[in-house]
Amino acid sequence: KAGVTQTPRYLIKTRGQQVTLSCSPISGHRSVSWYQQTPGQGLQFLFEYFSETQRNKGNFPGRFSGRQFSNSRSEMNVSTLELGDSALYLCASSLEGFHEQFFGPGTRLTVL
Amino acid sequence: AQSVTQLDSQVPVFEEAPVELRCNYSSSVSVYLFWYVQYPNQGLQLLLKYLSGSTLVKDINGFEAEFNKSQTSFHLRKPSVHISDTAEYFCAVSGGDFGNEKLTFGTGTRLTIIP
Repeated sequence: KAGVTQTPRYLIKTRGQQVTLSCSPISGHRSVSWYQQTPGQGLQFLFEYFSETQRNKGNFPGRFSGRQFSNSRSEMNVSTLELGDSALYLCASSLEGFHEQFFGPGTRLTVL
Repeated sequence: AQSVTQLDSQVPVFEEAPVELRCNYSSSVSVYLFWYVQYPNQGLQLLLKYLSGSTLVKDINGFEAEFNKSQTSFHLRKPSVHISDTAEYFCAVSGGDFGNEKLTFGTGTRLTIIP
């Protein structure tokens, strides 16, 4: 069974631009979560989607948004990029009712 | 609210020596506990999990972790480490209630194996 895939793997943007990251969960997994990893703040939860609905949300500004499609694929969007948004963005999927999450390789976003 | 504390940010260990990476958590509800490992330029891989049942969980590579409810701990141990164990290790907790599967992570412990 294929694992969680994320595209693109690397991205360079400039301040003020917006970016969209994509995540394809493991087949059959309907829950998708997003995390931001930075050296200063560590791993922080962004949001979780289940059946196209946002079920949980972390403490991030409204510039960070996401959505989930009917095939469980998810995208996250960051508008008006800031230098501090440079991070590794990790997507994870899980089976409903099972608390273990499986992570993708991440998208490394650099904001210049 | 939940929180996870990993007191040791870096742990250097000689090859074939034992190691313990400490993890303490705080939660007002029952929790599920996890250890994830991250190799350079990669995502997180699930190493061990405690969901219920036996408080001692083990993996095929020799890692084990023990859930101690009274001490709110979930320390990770390995009796003999190898060079390939060099990585960053994250302890995480999720809530025990349905639909609340977000993970709260500790700050990580960088394990360095000295040949």
